[in-house]
Amino acid sequence: DTGVSQDPRHKITKRGQNVTFRCDPISEHNRLYWYRQTLGQGPEFLTYFQNEAQLEKSRLLSDRFSAERPKGSFSTLEIQRTEQGDSAMYLCASSSWIATMNTEAFFGQGTRLTVV
Amino acid sequence: AQSVAQPEDQVNVAEGNPLTVKCTYSVSGNPYLFWYVQYPNRGLQFLLKYITGDNLVKGSYGFEAEFNKSQTSFHLKKPSALVSDSALYFCAVRVTGGGNKLTFGTGTQLKVEL
Repeated sequence: DTGVSQDPRHKITKRGQNVTFRCDPISEHNRLYWYRQTLGQGPEFLTYFQNEAQLEKSRLLSDRFSAERPKGSFSTLEIQRTEQGDSAMYLCASSSWIATMNTEAFFGQGTRLTVV
Repeated sequence: AQSVAQPEDQVNVAEGNPLTVKCTYSVSGNPYLFWYVQYPNRGLQFLLKYITGDNLVKGSYGFEAEFNKSQTSFHLKKPSALVSDSALYFCAVRVTGGGNKLTFGTGTQLKVEL
């Protein structure tokens, strides 16, 4: 499978615990994005990387959220001190930026987080 | 700020009939427009995009969309619906030179019945 891969697919955690999600993008893609999707809503942008550089962060990304892409390949999204409002589907996507053109983004299957 | 509106929460069509899923957008620059489809408990699958050129864009699974600049619309269409087309459809916009985030609509649930 050469698509975007996310792990785990499902995570149930107790309020106050820390969680970390992983995303492996399509191998030749240099851009990686994180989105959050709640029930009945479209995905909302959280942050994106070009190679290992984090170039944009949404105001939705509170101080409890941190994302990394240390070697410009896979990425992790960590949520500290989880709250019930963090319950959502976390989607990762990747694309290529070539000669000022950005290809369409391809999405992974998401990690569904439930905070109890 | 950029935004997308999908005015219908649900669209019901009979199999074999044409379908249309509506999308309008608001941006301050030139838009890149996209349609994605989401099946239950799955991520989003890319269907088609408009970047520039011909206003009628053809995509996967027989879907097409028409870009209308004057009406700021990008409606998704298919001449003959299949039951397997039943899913959640999202329209999204990205602005050229305005960052790289996609802004999505709230989605339209398409139900195709026999």
